[in-house]
Amino acid sequence: AQSVAQPEDQVNVAEGNPLTVKCTYSVSGNPYLFWYVQYPNRGLQFLLKYITGDNLVKGSYGFEAEFNKSQTSFHLKKPSALVSDSALYFCAVRDWAKAAGNKLTFGGGTRVLVKP
Amino acid sequence: GAGVSQTPSNKVTEKGKYVELRCDPISGHTALYWYRQSLGQGPEFLIYFQGTGAADDSGLPNDRFFAVRPEGSVSTLKIQRTERGDSAVYLCASSLQGTFTDTQYFGPGTRLTVL
Repeated sequence: AQSVAQPEDQVNVAEGNPLTVKCTYSVSGNPYLFWYVQYPNRGLQFLLKYITGDNLVKGSYGFEAEFNKSQTSFHLKKPSALVSDSALYFCAVRDWAKAAGNKLTFGGGTRVLVKP
Repeated sequence: GAGVSQTPSNKVTEKGKYVELRCDPISGHTALYWYRQSLGQGPEFLIYFQGTGAADDSGLPNDRFFAVRPEGSVSTLKIQRTERGDSAVYLCASSLQGTFTDTQYFGPGTRLTVL
């Protein structure tokens, strides 16, 4: 079975400081990994994904994430946070094994609060 | 272009009633997914359609839940004899082909409240 853990319920950071949101995963095969952001009363917006290749993935709005196979992690990062980055962030995984199906398994989410 | 749309945005119903939630995917997307997001949790998979057929319905919690996609575009999630525990945000997503590397694009959700 595939699973995702986001160990921090909330991350607080000052505007202009680096932002990191942690994610670890568990799959039986190779993972496909995704980050989404959710603003209040809105659906999930896609930020970036790791499929294969370069371990550092760049996405929307200046976000990037680093895939680390040995640590089974896919942490989301932004070099300089903005107040407008305050939102709920979800990490998701899909196992490459066909038997796992096409569904995404999400973590519980991490709330990011960027203070001016 | 237009994203995934869902109607209604909010639905309040009484315990025991029947509800239908509608999803209109991105034009040209063959794959469609339903997820449920309870308060304070991440979305949980319900069902996946490839074209008109349900390719994976392993996430439907019980036989009160049913979904259709008769023409391979719009989908309707149907819940019979609603219970208070069904209260959640129901999210719909679509992807271009339904391959494992496809990105799923989500709609704004329908907030269902069962009184």
